[in-house]
Amino acid sequence: DGGITQSPKYLFRKEGQNVTLSCEQNLNHDAMYWYRQDPGQGLRLIYYSQIVNDFQKGDIAEGYSVSREKKESFPLTVTSAQKNPTAFYLCASANRDRVNTEAFFGQGTRLTVV
Amino acid sequence: AQKITQTQPGMFVQEKEAVTLDCTYDTSDPSYGLFWYKQPSSGEMIFLIYQGSYDQQNATEGRYSLNFQKARKSANLVISASQLGDSAMYFCAMRDPYAYSGAGSYQLTFGKGTKLSVIP
Repeated sequence: DGGITQSPKYLFRKEGQNVTLSCEQNLNHDAMYWYRQDPGQGLRLIYYSQIVNDFQKGDIAEGYSVSREKKESFPLTVTSAQKNPTAFYLCASANRDRVNTEAFFGQGTRLTVV
Repeated sequence: AQKITQTQPGMFVQEKEAVTLDCTYDTSDPSYGLFWYKQPSSGEMIFLIYQGSYDQQNATEGRYSLNFQKARKSANLVISASQLGDSAMYFCAMRDPYAYSGAGSYQLTFGKGTKLSVIP
């Protein structure tokens, strides 16, 4: 079945560590996105990519980094520069980055700093 | 300025009754898309329904319909015959060309959501 897979489902990070969240899709979508969700809040865009080897910052990119070496994969690294990384992270993809295209989401990764 | 506003943090509805979840939006572009997503406690985001700014008719998908009032910039979600499985967070979202000026992208901007609880 086609879809988006995020791993791990739960992730614990120590202070000062970098961690990488995985996002893989087999929908053959060009566009991929990373969102952050905090309790009681909507989703805020961290990074997005419309094509391999290209990506753009969203609203809250500071302290995060991404790569897009393959169409299917868009990993997110939460660096030690991110001061408050505890949140729920959602990866999404879309066929095209157009006004009428819905995004499909993964199951999410819940990151906790310990 | 907030682009998507959902004014109801929480709503209750009796099972089998209809419920309306409010959403207002702000954009200066004539071409945009409006989406509703459901987020159960498991966390995944499930696409429910889409309405394009040029669509003449209100969108419908099964028990979901969208009450689109363009002049008022509102796109309310109506769920008919509520079921216990409808209990979840519901998010309104919009794509418009000016979300990230200069980037040539059409990003989804989300509201803060409404928590719907269906009562047996």
